[in-house]
Amino acid sequence: ETGVTQTPRHLVMGMTNKKSLKCEQHLGHNAMYWYKQSAKKPLELMFVYSLEERVENNSVPSRFSPECPNSSHLFLHLHTLQPEDSALYLCASSQDKGAPSNEKLFFGSGTQLSVL
Amino acid sequence: GQNIDQPTEMTATEGAIVQINCTYQTSGFNGLFWYQQHAGEAPTFLSYNVLDGLEEKGRFSSFLSRSKGYSYLLLKELQMKDSASYLCAVSDSNYQLIWGAGTKLIIKP
Repeated sequence: ETGVTQTPRHLVMGMTNKKSLKCEQHLGHNAMYWYKQSAKKPLELMFVYSLEERVENNSVPSRFSPECPNSSHLFLHLHTLQPEDSALYLCASSQDKGAPSNEKLFFGSGTQLSVL
Repeated sequence: GQNIDQPTEMTATEGAIVQINCTYQTSGFNGLFWYQQHAGEAPTFLSYNVLDGLEEKGRFSSFLSRSKGYSYLLLKELQMKDSASYLCAVSDSNYQLIWGAGTKLIIKP
């Protein structure tokens, strides 16, 4: 139990579908992250939220839309994805992103997404 | 550009010792992390080094040489449960994490 829960664990969707990934952290952390993990590639940071405000958006296509309604929940809304978007999507949290610091990340188990 | 290099895959025998290397070229340095990720599971934090030298934590140790841009993770008395991917990540001058592609470690009986 890492304290970060992601649902669903697996998702198959067509290119015209709309779906959402959900992440919940039970650690009282203030920062939450979305990462994309493709086979044999480094983790790619997609979005960072600190105290429910988006602080980073690393040139992610608009077909990915994040939402952070409170410090415990993070969503990634998916719309008209492409087959190359198939990957493992990991959510993570850390104590605080407000000040430059080196905090360890606590990850969820991820959503394995397949786009057909 | 910024780059982290680590071997794609390594194989070792149960009970033995294995060293997983990580070399980096980054814009500044604010520490190096190692994470373990079992297949289908969340990456979990193993270690953090910001000063040169060896940090020991049970069967796992992590070494850093900032002048050489080099780190290694040393796993002793290998167990089957150590089969996993090991991710190296460096915090750059802006405290952005630069990740390696991970090393898949296979433990054989």
